[in-house]
Amino acid sequence: EVQLLESGGDLVQPGGSLRLSCAASGFTFSSYAMSWVRQAPGKGLEWVSSISGSGDRTYYAASVKGRFTISRDNSKNTLYVQMNSLRAEDTAVYYCASSSGYCSGNSCYGPNDYWGQGTLVTVSS
Amino acid sequence: QSVLTQPPSVSGAPGQRVTISCTGSSSSIGAGYDVHWYQQVPGTAPKLLIYVNTNRPSGVPDRFSGSKSGTSASLTITGLQAEDEADYYCQSYDSSLSGWVFGGGTKLTVL
Repeated sequence: EVQLLESGGDLVQPGGSLRLSCAASGFTFSSYAMSWVRQAPGKGLEWVSSISGSGDRTYYAASVKGRFTISRDNSKNTLYVQMNSLRAEDTAVYYCASSSGYCSGNSCYGPNDYWGQGTLVTVSS
Repeated sequence: QSVLTQPPSVSGAPGQRVTISCTGSSSSIGAGYDVHWYQQVPGTAPKLLIYVNTNRPSGVPDRFSGSKSGTSASLTITGLQAEDEADYYCQSYDSSLSGWVFGGGTKLTVL
């Protein structure tokens, strides 16, 4: 059974930093692209970042580029996102998701097959 | 304002059929990029419902179907059931933004 378990969400002040983790199990982690998708309170879904299975390709939404860094440790079956210079508008539930698609050129392509339960990040003073 | 446009809400009685539209542009759906659909029951994580325009993952009832034409896509649910009450999101890729885009979501109410 595929399981994705996010952790690391917290209350952080504007300008602060936070690292989220997503522990994966039940599938061959290194064979799957992974992504972070967020959902602000009462709002819709917003893609944040994606990374290829090997970790050699990374992609970011314009709203987080230069502030967030996605990475993965395939030996630990874990996905990460380092979030710096956090803003109030980054407040959201952050979901990690796996994709059976592929990454090439400007993006990863394919659906988000499985999603974690999410972790809440609140940016406020 | 989302790059992909969905109606904010739709409703139907049990047993009826409803369709949710997802309108993109020449740089997203119209450029040939695939559309995926997700179902999200409030308070829970999204779940993949339709992938690559028309395909259902294992376990998704055949009451759910997807289609795509031109710059738009649609999700159709037949034989509505109370358990279908949820938010539905479409997703595609937009080359002008160089990233994935989601629709704003459609809240389905089963009357």
